[in-house]
Formats: sequence, structure tokens, C-alpha cells
Amino acid sequence: GAVVSQHPSWVICKSGTSVKIECRSLDFQATTMFWYRQFPKQSLMLMATSNEGSKATYEQGVEKDKFLINHASLTLSTLTVTSAHPEDSSFYICSASTTSGSRGTQYFGPGTRLTVL
Amino acid sequence: AQSVAQPEDQVNVAEGNPLTVKCTYSVSGNPYLFWYVQYPNRGLQFLLKYITGDNLVKGSYGFEAEFNKSQTSFHLKKPSALVSDSALYFCAVRDGGQAGTALIFGKGTTLSVSS
Repeated sequence: GAVVSQHPSWVICKSGTSVKIECRSLDFQATTMFWYRQFPKQSLMLMATSNEGSKATYEQGVEKDKFLINHASLTLSTLTVTSAHPEDSSFYICSASTTSGSRGTQYFGPGTRLTVL
Repeated sequence: AQSVAQPEDQVNVAEGNPLTVKCTYSVSGNPYLFWYVQYPNRGLQFLLKYITGDNLVKGSYGFEAEFNKSQTSFHLKKPSALVSDSALYFCAVRDGGQAGTALIFGKGTTLSVSS
């Protein structure tokens, strides 16, 4: 089946530093990738939609200058949390769609736990 | 606007008994419906989806779900629960008429299966 990987699986950083999270589709090409954020025992909140070769579309309330998204190829999207603060600590999950059409299933990465001290 | 409601925060069942996890949805176009399961500190695993066709959809690990258009529901079911089914379950919806849109998730339901 379709596999999506994320790296790193967890990261601890100091306040004010930047952290980059990679999301890769391993055995398929993903025209569209999505970034979600999940707080403990809560649902996934969509942060942004990333299309290869174009600017990401951010959901209302998500700071695009803080959460930089780059979808450089059909198998790789990156999320960079710039000048991280403790309130950015969360579980970040990416997903990739198997097709560009609406019938594609979204497959999810294993998530990255970010802790900002 | 799309939305998903999972009315139960937690469902408790005994091993071997049937289980149901409820989900209702709201979408302006054709609903594409999904169920995912999440184990602690892990990503989401795809269970099953309804796009079109037969209202009863069979998925992974013996799970199935029934699409009911009149009740706008897509409840997840399994005839005989296992302790290993204990996890967090998410229902999600997407408007089938809009390509490339993200899934919108319900708040999740914790399933606890006791031995």
C-alpha cells in the first residue's frame, strides 16, 4: 500500500530556533500533500494544503510566515516551524493523496512530535 | 462548509461483542467518507472509505461501515471486537465534487475493548 514517511519522528528544540519536518511519499507520487496539527486527545486540524510547484494554501488562523511549507517535488513536502515557541509544541502529521482527483485516498505519515523548551 | 460529528467521546465494549462507532456528516456536495484509526503516538491508518456504489463498505481488520444518505451517517462497525482494536477512531469527510481538498475530521472516538 501507499506509504508516507516523516522525519524526524520527534524533535526537541529551544525557543527561538527553527525546525524542519520532512514528509515523503515513498511509493507513489503525490500531487497534493496536507499538513495537520494535533493537540493531545484532540482531532486533527488542517494547517495547509501543499501542491507541487506552487505556493501552499493556508487555513484561516495559520501564520504562513511562521509555518513555511515547500513542496519541491512530487514525493517531498517540508514544513519549517520558524522561531519556535512553547505554544508550537504539538504533533504534526502530513498526508499525501494518491491522485490529483477527488477520489484519491489520503495516506498519513507517522507524525512528528515537536517539543519547544 | 463540511463538518463531521462523532457524538461519543468513548465507546466501551467487551471482547467478542459487536461494536459501533457513530459518525454523522454535513457536506454540500457528494460526500466522500473515510474512517481512520490512530494508536498512541502514531499516525493515522486508513480503514475504509465510501465514494460511491454499495452502501456497505468493508475495510481492514474486519471493520465495515454503512453509508446512510437519509440519515447522513457513516457508522463504523465490527461484528466481534478484539482487545487490539482499542484505539482512537476518526471519521472524515470530503466534498467529492472538489478535487484536491483536504479531509475534515471529527473529534475522534476512543474505543476501549475489555477482555
